[in-house]
Amino acid sequence: DAGVIQSPRHEVTEMGQEVTLRCKPISGHNSLFWYRQTMMRGLELLIYFNNNVPIDDSGMPEDRFSAKMPNASFSTLKIQPSEPRDSAVYFCASRKGGGSYNSPLHFGNGTRLTVT
Amino acid sequence: AQTVTQSQPEMSVQEAETVTLSCTYDTSESNYYLFWYKQPPSRQMILVIRQEAYKQQNATENRFSVNFQKAAKSFSLKISDSQLGDTAMYFCAFMKHQGGSEKLVFGKGTKLTVNP
Repeated sequence: DAGVIQSPRHEVTEMGQEVTLRCKPISGHNSLFWYRQTMMRGLELLIYFNNNVPIDDSGMPEDRFSAKMPNASFSTLKIQPSEPRDSAVYFCASRKGGGSYNSPLHFGNGTRLTVT
Repeated sequence: AQTVTQSQPEMSVQEAETVTLSCTYDTSESNYYLFWYKQPPSRQMILVIRQEAYKQQNATENRFSVNFQKAAKSFSLKISDSQLGDTAMYFCAFMKHQGGSEKLVFGKGTKLTVNP
């Protein structure tokens, strides 16, 4: 089991540029989550998918943020245009949803985004 | 909306001693799940322990145990025989299941330092 794989691990970009973060969930997991971590706000849920369908995107900050899950093994989080206040660590996590709701989240190692 | 409160931003403990991290939550749900995650300096989020609200018995995982007080909405984590490798941020998290929602809500975290 390779775990949840995120890329890149670090991203530095200039304000106004487009940023794409990538995630490969654990095989067999059908729920995928994107979280953002900052010192001020802690861990915030941005969006989550169940069986590739977005279920709750109420945490997405604004229209500059978008997320897709074209298939069960890949998801992207895009920020366009990026702003300095988007600087944070972005985590992807997956779990096996369905009947057993104590199935825990498995997190990737995160992408540290710095927007200058 | 559910909230999770960790009232201790930072704590320290001597190696081999016992420490308890506090967590309270607010919910009107009767069935839910609680988790403790550990985030060492490597940034990885690691599941430490989980508890199902309908189980009265406190969960235990080796040196880690919880004190779950459902009526008081309290879910503290006890670490026995603290080790240097326990130094990390610890996050308490709550998950309900309602109408397909699987949102995991995190507290702001407690930074634990284990001193030699």
